Amino acid sequence: GENVEQHPSTLSVQEGDSAVIKCTYSDSASNYFPWYKQELGKGPQLIIDIRSNVGEKKDQRIAVTLNKTAKHFSLHITETQPEDSAVYFCAANNYGGSQGNLIFGKGTKLSVKP
Amino acid sequence: DAGVTQSPTHLIKTRGQQVTLRCSPISGHKSVSWYQQVLGQGPQFIFQYYEKEERGRGNFPDRFSARQFPNYSSELNVNALLLGDSALYLCASSFSTGDADTQYFGPGTRLTVL
Repeated sequence: GENVEQHPSTLSVQEGDSAVIKCTYSDSASNYFPWYKQELGKGPQLIIDIRSNVGEKKDQRIAVTLNKTAKHFSLHITETQPEDSAVYFCAANNYGGSQGNLIFGKGTKLSVKP
Repeated sequence: DAGVTQSPTHLIKTRGQQVTLRCSPISGHKSVSWYQQVLGQGPQFIFQYYEKEERGRGNFPDRFSARQFPNYSSELNVNALLLGDSALYLCASSFSTGDADTQYFGPGTRLTVL
C-alpha cells in the first residue's frame, strides 16, 4: 500500500521568510495530494490540494509542486506570518485500495517567529 | 454553510467500556470517513461509508464498527476499550467516494481511556 514520508518534522522561520515542507510517496498510482493545516485542539483544515494532471498550483501565499517521476510533492509558504504557525500534514490518496482514503505523513510543526 | 460537526467534543471512558461517536457531514456530501489521530501522528484511516454502505476499512480490529444513516450522518462505535484507543477521532466528509475527492474534516472527538 501507499506510504508517505514528510520532512522536516519541525521548522522554525522568521516572520516574512519562506517555508518549504517536502513529502515523498511510494505508490505511483496515487493521483491526489492534499495539504492540511492543524491548529492545537482543532481538526485538520484543507489549505491546498493538487491532482496528478498538473505540476504546480498556487493560492495567494501558498503553492504546491508535484514531481510524479520522483514521486514527491512540496508545500511552499511565502511571506510567513505568526498565524501560519501550526502542524502541517501532507497526504496521498490510496488509489485502488480502500476507496478514497488518505494516507498521511507524520506532520511538520511550523513555528513563525515575529 | 455549516462544516462537518462531531459530538461529543471530549469523552472519558474506562477500559472495557463501549463508546459511540457521532458525525454530521457537510450538506450535500454523501460520504463520511473516520480517522484516528494519536498524539504526534497524522490521521489514520478507519472506515469510509457512502450511501449507508461500507466502502473501505483500514487496519483496525473488529472492536471498531460504524454505520451511516439515511441523512448521511454517521456513528463510530468502539467496544472493549483499551488504553491505546485514546486518541482524537476525526470525521471527514466528501461529496462521493472518488479517489480524488476532497475530504473536509470536523473538529474531532477527543477520547481518553483510563
